[in-house]
Amino acid sequence: EDQVTQSPEALRLQEGESSSLNCSYTVSGLRGLFWYRQDPGKGPEFLFTLYSAGEEKEKERLKATLTKKESFLHITAPKPEDSATYLCAAHTGANSKLTFGKGITLSVRP
Amino acid sequence: NAGVTQTPKFQVLKTGQSMTLQCAQDMNHNSMYWYRQDPGMGLRLIYYSASEGTTDKGEVPNGYNVSRLNKREFSLRLESAAPSQTSVYFCASSETGGYGYTFGSGTRLTVV
Repeated sequence: EDQVTQSPEALRLQEGESSSLNCSYTVSGLRGLFWYRQDPGKGPEFLFTLYSAGEEKEKERLKATLTKKESFLHITAPKPEDSATYLCAAHTGANSKLTFGKGITLSVRP
Repeated sequence: NAGVTQTPKFQVLKTGQSMTLQCAQDMNHNSMYWYRQDPGMGLRLIYYSASEGTTDKGEVPNGYNVSRLNKREFSLRLESAAPSQTSVYFCASSETGGYGYTFGSGTRLTVV
C-alpha cells in the first residue's frame, strides 16, 4: 500500500528562521511528487511537481527537493504570510490519483 | 478564471437527510475527484472519475454516490447522511496522467 508521511505535524518559526519540512514516501513506482499549500478555509493550491531524484524547484522563499525516499520543502527566511498547511502527495500507477500526506501546519511569528 | 467551482459552501443536515454536492470545472480536464478532509486524517479520496462516463471508488466510498454528468460536472450524493460524514469536502480536477490537481474551495458539511 502506498504511504506518504509528513513531519513534523506542526512547526513554529520566528520570522527569518529558515527550516525544512519533510515528506517521506513508500510507494511502488513514483511518477511524481507534488507539494501544495493550503490556507485556512480554502482548497489546496499547487506549488511544485518533482519527477526524479535530484530534481529541485524554487518559488520565492520555497525550494523543493527530491530523493529516492523523501522530499523536502525548504523555507528560507520565512515571513508571517508563509503560515499555512503544506501538503505533499505522490502520484503512482497508470491513473491520475494522488496519495496525500496529512500535512504540516507552519506558523511564522513576526 | 473560475477553475473548479463547488456548491454549496456550507450545509447543515439532519441525520438521514440526503443532499448532492455540486462541482464544475472549466479547464477541460478529463479527470475529477472528490476528497474529504478531517482533522488528523488528511485528504482521503472518496470517488474519482478518470474520464467522462467512468467512475471508480477511492479509499472511503461507503455512504456516497457520484455522477459524472458530463466532462465539466461531477456531483457527490449523500443518500442518508450520518454524523460521521461531517467533514470538509473538496472537488478537484486534473489532466490525465498525474499532473497537478486544481482544487475547489470546499464544502463544509455538518450532520447533526
